[in-house]
Order: sequence, then C-alpha cells, then structure tokens
Amino acid sequence: GAGVSQSPSNKVTEKGKDVELRCDPISGHTALYWYRQRLGQGLEFLIYFQGNSAPDKSGLPSDRFSAERTGESVSTLTIQRTQQEDSAVYLCASSLYGGTIYFGEGSWLTVV
Amino acid sequence: TQLLEQSPQFLSIQEGENLTVYCNSSSVFSSLQWYRQEPGEGPVLLVTVVTGGEVKKLKRLTFQFGDARKDSSLHITAAQPGDTGLYLCAGTSASGTYKYIFGTGTRLKV
Repeated sequence: GAGVSQSPSNKVTEKGKDVELRCDPISGHTALYWYRQRLGQGLEFLIYFQGNSAPDKSGLPSDRFSAERTGESVSTLTIQRTQQEDSAVYLCASSLYGGTIYFGEGSWLTVV
Repeated sequence: TQLLEQSPQFLSIQEGENLTVYCNSSSVFSSLQWYRQEPGEGPVLLVTVVTGGEVKKLKRLTFQFGDARKDSSLHITAAQPGDTGLYLCAGTSASGTYKYIFGTGTRLKV
C-alpha cells in the first residue's frame, strides 16, 4: 500500500476486555515495529519483527501484551484484560531492513 | 540499555527566534533520525544522518551528527508557528539489530 495503515483508528473499551490492533505495513517492508505513546510523552518501544519473527520483544510491558505477524505483512497487537494504564496511542511503523521507518497514524486506545 | 535523552523537554519561543534541540546518548548509533509529530498524527521523518560530523540542511532546519555518532542537534532559524510540534530523535544501534530507539521528545511551541 501507499503507507502504513492501522485499524481501528480509535477504540474505547471497558476495563478487563481484550483488544486487537491491526497494522498493514508498506508493501515489501520486511521490518515492522510497534510503539506506545502516552499522552504528551515520547515513544516507548514494544516489539520489532523482522519478517514473521520477533527478535526483540523486550518492550512488551507485561504478559497481557502479545503480537504476531503473518505472511511478512499484517501484524496484530493484542492486549488482554485491558487496564486503564493501557490507554495510549499505539503506533506501528515499517521499513526495509535497515532503512528509514515510516509510521502509521496510530490507534488511539481508551480504557474506561 | 540504550537511551536517547533530548533537551530541552519543552520550548516556547517567539516567531523569528532561533533555537537548538539536543539529542544525547552514551551509545554509538549507526544512524540517527529526526522526526516531527503533530497532534493526532504519527511521526514524520525530517532527516537521516549516518556519518559522524555530518551536517544536513532542510530549509531553515540544520541537523548535525556528532563526530562520535553518540549525539545530534537540530537548529531552527527564524522559527515560524508552523514549526510547532513534538520533535523526536531516533537512533539505530551500531550493533546491527535495526531496533529504533526514540528520544524523550522536545515539545516546541512557536
């Protein structure tokens, strides 16, 4: 596609529910990244995929967070049993291996 | 753990003034990027620097990569209201993992 696409763009969920956030990277980009950005703050690294494998999961905040990527394309970030502190913008980015990364517009998650 | 610290965190200036934002680390990076992010949008790449001592200019913006590839600066000349936003530096590890580490951000208001 022309750019990184994320869905949903906005999600309001009740505390304790599970959510899935989707990222469609730029076609042909081998690397895919997930970051979290709390209101007014910088970007917090969550996980990085090279192809379908995740060599670095060090940023996932807890075992409630998981991510997968299939077909070296779409990735899904899943948050189980959401908590209010999970409220943030979840940003996805993609790149060619070692190249410039390009961001999507983010998925805004609000846990009430 | 690699960290990138940006300073200042917040900057409010008058139109026409000059400013410099700094990005510092104790780690060496193979490349460093500067992004600008506006409310409700993802970060947008401004520039990539890869060579120690490299200077790049983008209109009124001047970017410099430190000789040791551990730090960088962004200088804006004659700031305009359109420059308002969150400026983020990001580095890729010299160890080759291609994991992008982001700085803490500088929020600029003109």
